[in-house]
Amino acid sequence: EIVITQSPATLSVSPGERATLSCRASQSVSSDFAWYQQKPGQAPSLLIYAASTRATGIPARFSGSGSGTEFTLTISSLQSEDFAVYYCQHYKIWPLTFGGGTTVEIK
Amino acid sequence: EVQLVESGGGLVQPGGSLRLSCAASGFTFSGFWMTWVRQAPGKGLEWVAIIKQDGSEQVYVDSVKGRFTISRDNAKNSLFLQMNSLRAEDTAVYYCARVNVWCTFDPWGQGTLVTVSS
Repeated sequence: EIVITQSPATLSVSPGERATLSCRASQSVSSDFAWYQQKPGQAPSLLIYAASTRATGIPARFSGSGSGTEFTLTISSLQSEDFAVYYCQHYKIWPLTFGGGTTVEIK
Repeated sequence: EVQLVESGGGLVQPGGSLRLSCAASGFTFSGFWMTWVRQAPGKGLEWVAIIKQDGSEQVYVDSVKGRFTISRDNAKNSLFLQMNSLRAEDTAVYYCARVNVWCTFDPWGQGTLVTVSS
């Protein structure tokens, strides 16, 4: 099983600032990597797939990078609606696994 | 509009069974793999099971193998999760989701809560 480690667990950021979230995979997943956003009381929604491709309708302030075992999600200028929990996921092999999540909170 | 609506959750005793359903609309259901993902209260996401378009292939996370069965009825645009021998650790919100070509999950349903407790 590929273990995904997300960091930090919590990130305190002021509106308008940049946020950088990280994930590390226990073995290479190439670019078979995605990011999801989950707002309180809602289901997750897809942000990024193939490590760096934004899903339909996702604003350009969200960007993904990385390959192999190290991945980053950057939110260039945090808006009020971006405060949420973010999960990363690989889809290289079974079982598909998620990271433990990063909560982006208002500083 | 693509929509997924789960149902069937509830309170069940340890060792009991429950069948979850997911009604799909707004897309060609038979053209997509489908999946179940769960989230224990206050915890992260855990992928549970996935099924091929025609139902001929299913894959499960180890913790539910032999207890859970994923299935689908393409004529009724419906996905199912039969859960047997339920344990306290199966308590979670269960989401169904469409699997896209990149094996990512989009969209998700609103979830249905399963509580396993005596």
